[in-house]
Amino acid sequence: GQSLEQPSEVTAVEGAIVQINCTYQTSGFYGLSWYQQHDGGAPTFLSYNGLDGLEETGRFSSFLSRSDSYGYLLLQELQMKDSASYFCAVRAVSGNTPLVFGKGTRLSVIA
Amino acid sequence: DTEVTQTPKHLVMGMTNKKSLKCEQHMGHRAMYWYKQKAKKPPELMFVYSYEKLSINESVPSRFSPECPNSSLLNLHLHALQPEDSALYLCASSQDGDSFIAKNIQYFGAGTRLSVL
Repeated sequence: GQSLEQPSEVTAVEGAIVQINCTYQTSGFYGLSWYQQHDGGAPTFLSYNGLDGLEETGRFSSFLSRSDSYGYLLLQELQMKDSASYFCAVRAVSGNTPLVFGKGTRLSVIA
Repeated sequence: DTEVTQTPKHLVMGMTNKKSLKCEQHMGHRAMYWYKQKAKKPPELMFVYSYEKLSINESVPSRFSPECPNSSLLNLHLHALQPEDSALYLCASSQDGDSFIAKNIQYFGAGTRLSVL
């Protein structure tokens, strides 16, 4: 089976940097994804790491260490609109397979 | 176009009703998914269709019945639901992602918020 651990809540100040960590245990591993979901909205894809290292997309970056079964999402220059839930998700096998989601981290950005 | 369209947006039904949720995508994706999401919880997988065939059923009660009429459409038929089935029902789709590097990004619809009375 698969399990993922991420903090349940994080609060950060507008303009700051915040890191949301995710550790996982899987029987197989093809990649770690991050999704953002605003209240009442749909989850939207943010980033994917299939290999070790850092992936950067604008203000958001994601990092993966396969040897440590660990990844993180880094959000820079925080804006109020970044207040949302962030889910890490594991893809455990190849093909059209479902994602296994972590329980989500609720990020609150305050002024 | 990266849109997954779900209808209706809201649905209220009694425990004896029969209703259907609909999902449509025109991205040429060959995998489609139904998820159930309760408040402050992650999406919980219900069904996966791959190339229009049901490939995964996560032990979902038979009062939920999925259907994939073609590669662009996915339905979820509801019958004799219970109040605890009230939730946000999300549809998603993804491309065929068979390689190690392939991201297999899932695109989600806005969901149907279902209330069972």
